[in-house]
Amino acid sequence: DAGVIQSPRHEVTEMGQEVTLRCKPISGHNSLFWYRQTMMRGLELLIYFNNNVPIDDSGMPEDRFSAKMPNASFSTLKIQPSEPRDSAVYFCASRTGTSGYEQYFGPGTRLTVT
Amino acid sequence: AQSVTQPDIHITVSEGASLELRCNYSYGATPYLFWYVQSPGQGLQLLLKYFSGDTLVQGIKGFEAEFKRSQSSFNLRKPSVHWSDAAEYFCAVGADNQGGKLIFGQGTELSVKP
Repeated sequence: DAGVIQSPRHEVTEMGQEVTLRCKPISGHNSLFWYRQTMMRGLELLIYFNNNVPIDDSGMPEDRFSAKMPNASFSTLKIQPSEPRDSAVYFCASRTGTSGYEQYFGPGTRLTVT
Repeated sequence: AQSVTQPDIHITVSEGASLELRCNYSYGATPYLFWYVQSPGQGLQLLLKYFSGDTLVQGIKGFEAEFKRSQSSFNLRKPSVHWSDAAEYFCAVGADNQGGKLIFGQGTELSVKP
């Protein structure tokens, strides 16, 4: 199994630009989670999907952030426009809905907004 | 409100010494408990999990954890630490009434002295 795949691994962009982060969950997993990790706030859940449907987006910081899951094997997190305070590591995680609640994390995307 | 507390932000142990990382939770429902490890620049890797049954659970890399309901704790232990164990460790809690969400502690950074 390839695990959760995220791209790009690193992204450097200028303030005001649009940023799109991508995630491919583990095949057969039906829940997908987007997290943000910073030194100040630790690991924060932004949004999660069950069967491609957004269930809880209360962690999305503001309207500049949006997430989609058009099918079971792909999700995007978009920031438009980006700001320096969005600099963080963004993780995607997935889990199966049939056994337990353990989530499997991708390697993350390190985003730097200058 | 549900919460997870890792009281120790940073711990340093000597290689070969024993290790215990503390985790306390506050949850109304029966919790599912996890420990994850994050090496620098990497995603979170599941070390072990507790759902039910034997309160002492074994994980990968020689780690174990014990669920103590009376103390609302799920401490992680290892009898002999290796230099490669230096990383950040996260305790996480989920429950049936949380829809698959996990709440993570703030993490404990482990340093290993030679």
